[in-house]
Amino acid sequence: KQEVTQIPAALSVPEGENLVLNCSFTDSAIYNLQWFRQDPGKGLTSLLLIQSSQREQTSGRLNASLDKSSGRSTLYIAASQPGDSATYLCAVTWGKLQFGAGTQVVVTP
Amino acid sequence: DGGITQSPKYLFRKEGQNVTLSCEQNLNHDAMYWYRQDPGQGLRLIYYSQIVNDFQKGDIAEGYSVSREKKESFPLTVTSAQKNPTAFYLCASSMGLAGGMETQYFGPGTRLLVL
Repeated sequence: KQEVTQIPAALSVPEGENLVLNCSFTDSAIYNLQWFRQDPGKGLTSLLLIQSSQREQTSGRLNASLDKSSGRSTLYIAASQPGDSATYLCAVTWGKLQFGAGTQVVVTP
Repeated sequence: DGGITQSPKYLFRKEGQNVTLSCEQNLNHDAMYWYRQDPGQGLRLIYYSQIVNDFQKGDIAEGYSVSREKKESFPLTVTSAQKNPTAFYLCASSMGLAGGMETQYFGPGTRLLVL
């Protein structure tokens, strides 16, 4: 069964610390992997999309890596800010998007 | 402004009632999707459509129905057969016919509550 897992479910860090969010998936035959941000009661905003042939993607303070052989992706957010507080979801495409349950992040001032 | 709109923001359903959630996009996307989100769980796919007048069941289609009469619109009906409809419903769209292989753009969501 194709599954996406995100651990931990929740994370709290002080402002300025780097954030490391983990995503694991069971089947390495993926088309791509995406990271989304969701603010409370809102829709999802796409942060980064990594194609199957890529190892990483970067956008500003965000960097996402992909290791298909180990079934893992990591989202790094440098120098976290209170505005980074949100839930971050990982989604893998195996024909259709399969979502993880997300990691709820709180950045404290 | 280009984007996806969903209405209403909150919807209340009585026992035995069918309700319809609206989703409209002006991004000229071919593919559209409906997801359900429950607390502590990831999004689960209800239905998706890759082209007008065609749609497919997702992982949890029972108790739901959709139509795709126009490219811009993909309404979702929650029928009385759906016994646990309380959830946050998200609509999304993407460019291509490859469904799921391009970035999906999401609407703001509709929260459905049962009276």
